[in-house]
Amino acid sequence: NAGVTQTPKFQVLKTGQSMTLQCAQDMNHEYMSWYRQDPGMGLRLIHYSVGAGITDQGEVPNGYNVSRSTTEDFPLRLLSAAPSQTSVYFCASSYYRNSYNEQFFGPGTRLTVL
Amino acid sequence: TQLLEQSPQFLSIQEGENLTVYCNSSSVFSSLQWYRQEPGEGPVLLVTVVTGGEVKKLKRLTFQFGDARKDSSLHITAAQPGDTGLYLCAGARGETSGSRLTFGEGTQLTVNP
Repeated sequence: NAGVTQTPKFQVLKTGQSMTLQCAQDMNHEYMSWYRQDPGMGLRLIHYSVGAGITDQGEVPNGYNVSRSTTEDFPLRLLSAAPSQTSVYFCASSYYRNSYNEQFFGPGTRLTVL
Repeated sequence: TQLLEQSPQFLSIQEGENLTVYCNSSSVFSSLQWYRQEPGEGPVLLVTVVTGGEVKKLKRLTFQFGDARKDSSLHITAAQPGDTGLYLCAGARGETSGSRLTFGEGTQLTVNP
């Protein structure tokens, strides 16, 4: 199994540009999430999905859109990039057992917005 | 407002020393997880604790969940350079929380040879 894969690994955008961060998992996990990681702030939840066709907002959703058309894929869209969105983005998936919700993370996408 | 606060934020020690990292909150969590993250990679789950007062050991690492399920600690015995990394705690609240974990800001550990 490849686990959770993310592309691209690095990306530089200009303010106002749009792009999609790709995320895929092959573990048949129901739950998928997007986090951003900034220095001294840990991981903050952007959006999450509890299954195909179902998404919801996390802690910091503004400026980001998601969709979940299949169990495997959970892309994150930046419609108009801003410098404040410079960050490292992690996709994660989990198989919900009782209340554990243990996350499997991808390798991350390092995004710089100029 | 950070619901989970970790301390210390940075820790630099010599090989062979012991250390403890703390994860504290005013909220009750149904379970708490510890992850380790190495540079350029995503976090990797180390352990999940689910019962108040629970202690789990993973080789030289000992994890404890507070009796009231509001705090946790990670103790490393005889630290080695391979233990270097960012340690993150994350709490889950309630069976309906789904993917909504709350992460602490992390403790950056450096173990010098």
